[in-house]
Amino acid sequence: EDKVVQSPLSLVVHEGDTVTLNCSYEVTNFRSLLWYKQEKKAPTFLFMLTSSGIEKKSGRLSSILDKKELFSILNITATQTGDSAIYLCAVHNNNDMRFGAGTRLTVKP
Amino acid sequence: ETGVTQTPRHLVMGMTNKKSLKCEQHLGHNAMYWYKQSAKKPLELMFVYNFKEQTENNSVPSRFSPECPNSSHLFLHLHTLQPEDSALYLCASSQLLGATYEQYFGPGTRLTVT
Repeated sequence: EDKVVQSPLSLVVHEGDTVTLNCSYEVTNFRSLLWYKQEKKAPTFLFMLTSSGIEKKSGRLSSILDKKELFSILNITATQTGDSAIYLCAVHNNNDMRFGAGTRLTVKP
Repeated sequence: ETGVTQTPRHLVMGMTNKKSLKCEQHLGHNAMYWYKQSAKKPLELMFVYNFKEQTENNSVPSRFSPECPNSSHLFLHLHTLQPEDSALYLCASSQLLGATYEQYFGPGTRLTVT
């Protein structure tokens, strides 16, 4: 059965810390992996990863995919209180898009 | 504002009611999706429409009935729901259907079934 597992499920850090969020997956016919940030309701798109070993960066956020070991990480450096959110990982195959349970990140001042 | 709007934002309905959720996208996209987000489960894909045609129904009970009259509008008709159907229902759209097109989400409708 296809599955997407995120860890940790929740994380509390202080401003300025660096965090690493994990997403492992087992899906047939993998096509892409996506990261979303969900603050109140609508998830907002962060990254799409299709190739192994190529880091994508956007400001303090970066992500990389390992298609051999079937996982991705999302790094956030110099965290700010505005980074507090649920971070969702989703994996797309030919027919479906499956989401992980999310990591709830809380950044304290 | 993501360009995807949903109405209503909150809905409370009894188990015998019939109601509809509406989604509209102003992005010129051709694929639209309904998702269910429950408190204790990951986001679940319910239905997929591509150029107004339903391409996927992920074993969703028949008390949920989608409708896509055109590429910009998507409805979810609800009838005889159960309390466990209470959840956040999210609509999303993408330029085309496929794994390389990111989805843009609406703000969601918070549904409570009493």
